Amino acid sequence: DAKTTQPPSMDCAEGRAANLPCNHSTISGNEYVYWYRQIHSQGPQYIIHGLKNNETNEMASLIITEDRKSSTLILPHATLRDTAVYYCIVRVASGDYKLSFGAGTTVTVRA
Amino acid sequence: KAGVTQTPRYLIKTRGQQVTLSCSPISGHRSVSWYQQTPGQGLQFLFEYFSETQRNKGNFPGRFSGRQFSNSRSEMNVSTLELGDSALYLCASSRGDHWTDTQYFGPGTRLTVL
Repeated sequence: DAKTTQPPSMDCAEGRAANLPCNHSTISGNEYVYWYRQIHSQGPQYIIHGLKNNETNEMASLIITEDRKSSTLILPHATLRDTAVYYCIVRVASGDYKLSFGAGTTVTVRA
Repeated sequence: KAGVTQTPRYLIKTRGQQVTLSCSPISGHRSVSWYQQTPGQGLQFLFEYFSETQRNKGNFPGRFSGRQFSNSRSEMNVSTLELGDSALYLCASSRGDHWTDTQYFGPGTRLTVL
């Protein structure tokens, strides 16, 4: 599986943009980058995914570098409810349908 | 559209007992995956069912089993419970037609083994 590296934790001020980095230097050409988040003791929540183009939805934006070796999840206006563990996952093109979660980044939004 | 539902939400069992957890996927989704989350091991894949057949399996002992019904609802069974089986058990559903299909998670079942 393509390995991802994320910082273990980061703080963000409420109302400001939160930029969450993820390194995936061994990603292959047809592997997607997915982001999920997990608020304490709840099920992971899907945020966004992309292949090589930047993506935006109502929750966040995903910026993938041209060489695809890293990406950034952007929460444009962080709120206290965005406090969670954020997981960056590379979907392996093996067809085995599983998600491989790493340790993620614990994001704390402060008032 | 209703999300993924799991029952029960909380469960307390003793060592040696067995337990069955249930998952109802999003309407129209035919794939159900199960994951175990513990503080020490994080989120780990157990198995995935599609159209009543186990399609993928993680690295868990045979005490962990599952099945899927014709309406895509799935159950997971753990026999001869051990203390280390205490965990949050999560199921996720997807359309299942392609490996890139997004998986949507339920709220989980918190199992405590005493």
